[in-house]
Amino acid sequence: DAMVIQNPRYQVTQFGKPVTLSCSQTLNHNVMYWYQQKSSQAPKLLFHYYDKDFNNEADTPDNFQSRRPNTSFCFLDIRSPGLGDAAMYLCATGDGSGANVLTFGAGSRLTVL
Amino acid sequence: GQNIDQPTEMTATEGAIVQINCTYQTSGFNGLFWYQQHAGEAPTFLSYNVLDGLEEKGRFSSFLSRSKGYSYLLLKELQMKDSASYLCAVGDYKLSFGAGTTVTVRA
Repeated sequence: DAMVIQNPRYQVTQFGKPVTLSCSQTLNHNVMYWYQQKSSQAPKLLFHYYDKDFNNEADTPDNFQSRRPNTSFCFLDIRSPGLGDAAMYLCATGDGSGANVLTFGAGSRLTVL
Repeated sequence: GQNIDQPTEMTATEGAIVQINCTYQTSGFNGLFWYQQHAGEAPTFLSYNVLDGLEEKGRFSSFLSRSKGYSYLLLKELQMKDSASYLCAVGDYKLSFGAGTTVTVRA
């Protein structure tokens, strides 16, 4: 089945210790997104790649970076996690059309100690 | 930017009907989407509206009025498994989400 896979599902890190979350897709979608979702809040778009073009949301902290080495893979790097970065990180893909349905991965839950 | 409002919580009885309203103000609109999210899981797509009117998909229907910036999701014949958060989202190829409405279905 075509899908979006995130690893790890659960990540525990220490304050300030870098973390990398990965996302892979078999849908061959042009666009890959990273959302941050805290408890009982709306998913918040951090950035997205439209093919190789990187697009950062204006309020995404510099602490968050992303890489997309090829169509299938995208990584979220958190350089120095703070307690406020504890959240569920959701990867999603879309075909980039005007009203495109996003397909989400199962999410990576980050805990910062 | 986007401003999306939906009620925080709703409770209903198994077999009943529940309507979840969503109002939005947006600078760019190509569609309104509804997603279902069970606790601790990723959102899954339910329906979307591009034009005004009602879209029906089995037990779920969604309505859109673009002039009023208003949508609703109608859940019929509620089942226990429908207990979840329902997220309203608007945008084009980038979606902005509301905070979600937590629906609790009671026996």
